Amino acid sequence: GQQLNQSPQSMFIQEGEDVSMNCTSSSIFNTWLWYKQDPGEGPVLLIALYKAGELTSNGRLTAQFGITRKDSFLNISASIPSDVGIYFCAGQSGPQGGSEKLVFGKGTKLTVNP
Amino acid sequence: DARVTQTPRHKVTEMGQEVTMRCQPILGHNTVFWYRQTMMQGLELLAYFRNRAPLDDSGMPKDRFSAEMPDATLATLKIQPSEPRDSAVYFCASGLVFLITGGADTGELFFGEGSRLTVL
Repeated sequence: GQQLNQSPQSMFIQEGEDVSMNCTSSSIFNTWLWYKQDPGEGPVLLIALYKAGELTSNGRLTAQFGITRKDSFLNISASIPSDVGIYFCAGQSGPQGGSEKLVFGKGTKLTVNP
Repeated sequence: DARVTQTPRHKVTEMGQEVTMRCQPILGHNTVFWYRQTMMQGLELLAYFRNRAPLDDSGMPKDRFSAEMPDATLATLKIQPSEPRDSAVYFCASGLVFLITGGADTGELFFGEGSRLTVL
């Protein structure tokens, strides 16, 4: 089945540093999504990408949909303590934008030291 | 404030017992998903429904797991009999898909807070 390789698995950074994480796949996806999960909670959508090459920002977060449609990255600028959590990429190969069968990466656990 | 509601939040049970997890999707959403999260496997899709009809349950062990939507406001995931390897956090998520070709929503799934299952 489809799999997403997300890296790094974990990151330990100082407050104020920038963060970058990425996802790659052997399959083409039509939609890339980035979610964040806080402890004891369900994942919450951060950014959605629908077009190859698309670069989208949400505050300090920036994500890009790779040209090959097989990868995506997420950057967080000027990290703050509340950025702590697990970040998941998710890809969807079905009709664009439909809420169907998201395949999730295994997550990047981010720790921010004050 | 619309959200997906899951019960129970925590469940500890003994091997062999039946476990039922319930989910109330966001009103108006037509697609409901069940995911299982473990440290080793991450988030795995178990099953999903569109307009209460099961569309895909290929990720679910059929011999012991069953998923249903008795009505639009309730989705259930049942494990019978439960085994220690079923210990995980089970998430329900709902979303909205337009049925007209070319129509799209944001692709956003709204997740519940999860049901943490421990099978001893």
